[in-house]
Amino acid sequence: GNSVTQMEGPVTLSEEAFLTINCTYTATGYPSLFWYVQYPGEGLQLLLKATKADDKGSNKGFEATYRKETTSFHLEKGSVQVSDSAVYFCALSDPLNAGGTSYGKLTFGQGTILTVHP
Amino acid sequence: DGGITQSPKYLFRKEGQNVTLSCEQNLNHDAMYWYRQDPGQGLRLIYYSQIVNDFQKGDIAEGYSVSREKKESFPLTVTSAQKNPTAFYLCASSIPLVNEQFFGPGTRLTVL
Repeated sequence: GNSVTQMEGPVTLSEEAFLTINCTYTATGYPSLFWYVQYPGEGLQLLLKATKADDKGSNKGFEATYRKETTSFHLEKGSVQVSDSAVYFCALSDPLNAGGTSYGKLTFGQGTILTVHP
Repeated sequence: DGGITQSPKYLFRKEGQNVTLSCEQNLNHDAMYWYRQDPGQGLRLIYYSQIVNDFQKGDIAEGYSVSREKKESFPLTVTSAQKNPTAFYLCASSIPLVNEQFFGPGTRLTVL
């Protein structure tokens, strides 16, 4: 079955440091890949996504590239801010198939807690 | 504003009682989902529904039940058969064939 593995956390950085959160996946076919962010006490918000190999998703200074050869989708940001402190989830979606049963069900990694200090 | 609402934000129940969590969306999405979040375990799918009056079990459906009588509503009942119900519950919705889910703010259930 599908699975997503994220780097162990928590991650603690100083403001303006470079961020990398590793994510690798196992899936059949060509899933779509996502990064979601969860701020304390809130639901998840979509941060960025990529739907095919070599696509780069980007948003709010965060980037991730869909690498099929290494089955990875690592999240990066060049200069983190205190406001980036949150839990980050990598996820994949079954390839959509109108005749099948996937309908975009998401499989999540375990989440990585990021804390940024001033 | 379009979005997903979950109520209440915090819920306390005694062991052995059934409890129903509300999820409403005005995004006109056909598909809706319920997830459970536990510390360090990510999100796990409980139930999902692709259209009204139809729903399927997810990975951890035991001890839970759902209904989908209206497009905008997908309530989740946590029954007394659920052995460890204390958790954060998240509802989501999406447009079928568009693989992006939108999440509600969640309900934190504590069973005493």
